[in-house]
Amino acid sequence: QIQLVQSGPEVKKPGESVKISCKASGYTFTQAGMQWLKQAQGKSLKWMGWINTNTGKTTYAADFTGRFVFSLETSASTAYLQITNLKNEDMATYFCARDDGTGWGQGTLVTVSS
Amino acid sequence: DIVMTQTPSSQAVSAGEKVTMSCKSSQSLLYSENKKNYLAWYQQKPGQSPKLLISWASTRESGVPDRFIGSGSGTDFTLTISSVQAEDLAVYYCEQYYDTPLTFGSGTKLEIK
Repeated sequence: QIQLVQSGPEVKKPGESVKISCKASGYTFTQAGMQWLKQAQGKSLKWMGWINTNTGKTTYAADFTGRFVFSLETSASTAYLQITNLKNEDMATYFCARDDGTGWGQGTLVTVSS
Repeated sequence: DIVMTQTPSSQAVSAGEKVTMSCKSSQSLLYSENKKNYLAWYQQKPGQSPKLLISWASTRESGVPDRFIGSGSGTDFTLTISSVQAEDLAVYYCEQYYDTPLTFGSGTKLEIK
């Protein structure tokens, strides 16, 4: 069965960076793109963009350009989200999900606190 | 960006009752070439990641109980749960995938009396 397993919770200070991993199993990694979504506590979901797992081409939503980077380690069936220069408003749970919505990671909570 | 508006924001029903929730988009999600509506419904239970229930406005995913029914076209969509069960306690989100950025509604929280 499709499974996406994300790395564990992170506690960071403003200005630091974080890199979240998302390891896929149960399907051929390159057969589906990977999207990333943000969910602040008690809020709805916000689509950050996606990465084509065949070509590595990335598409970012307007609010997620500059400090956000999607990347791949295809040999390990793993996708990554890196956020640099963390701000208080980046505090949220981040999800990876197949681009067809049929598989989601369990979410990674990023806490930003001085 | 396409704006998705969900109503009500919360709803409390007793087990066995029928519940409907609405999702409206700021522009049509019906693609004329294939006559498909690019609208999905997700269920997010407390402390869990979202689960895809319905895609293409009305196609239930494998394993989703048939009490979950998606309907609508164009800009107006509905999710109906024909007989609510206690395990349906969750927030339900609609999502449009007609255009990027993909956008979600603010959710309907379903509470069981």
